[in-house]
Amino acid sequence: KAGVTQTPRYLIKTRGQQVTLSCSPISGHRSVSWYQQTPGQGLQFLFEYFSETQRNKGNFPGRFSGRQFSNSRSEMNVSTLELGDSALYLCASRFHTDTQYFGPGTRLTVL
Amino acid sequence: ELKVEQNPLFLSMQEGKNYTIYCNYSTTSDRLYWYRQDPGKSLESLFVLLSNGAVKQEGRLMASLDTKARLSTLHITAAVHDLSATYFCAVNTLRDDKIIFGKGTRLHILP
Repeated sequence: KAGVTQTPRYLIKTRGQQVTLSCSPISGHRSVSWYQQTPGQGLQFLFEYFSETQRNKGNFPGRFSGRQFSNSRSEMNVSTLELGDSALYLCASRFHTDTQYFGPGTRLTVL
Repeated sequence: ELKVEQNPLFLSMQEGKNYTIYCNYSTTSDRLYWYRQDPGKSLESLFVLLSNGAVKQEGRLMASLDTKARLSTLHITAAVHDLSATYFCAVNTLRDDKIIFGKGTRLHILP
């Protein structure tokens, strides 16, 4: 079974721009979660989608948004990028309440 | 709000020694996860602990859960260099099944 895939793997943007990251979950997994990982704050939960609906949300500003499609693929969008948004963005999928399986991440650098 | 605390955050140890990483969480939960992350890589699932007294072992790693004390331990036996990595514990919130991560324990095993 193929694992969780994320595209792109690396991204460089400038302040004020917006970015869209993509995540394809493991086949059969309907839950997709997004996390931001930084050296200072660690792994922080952004949101979780299940069957195209946002099920949970972390404490991030409205500039961070996401969506999930009928094939369970998910996208995350960050608008008006700030320097502090530079991070590794990880996507994870799971089947119901089972273990989460993480993708390789997208490394976003904001200049 | 669920808080997950790991200690120590950094650990440097000699090969062959035993050590324990602790994970405390602040509110009732029904699942505790341990993950491993190698530098520049994504997270790899190690264990899922579901009930009080649960113990799981894989090679030189053994995880246990005490739900009454809200404490999980990850014990490393006769450490080898290959176990150098960052180890995260994560706990789900009962109310909305959000998964919250600890800050991670960076383990460096010296040959």
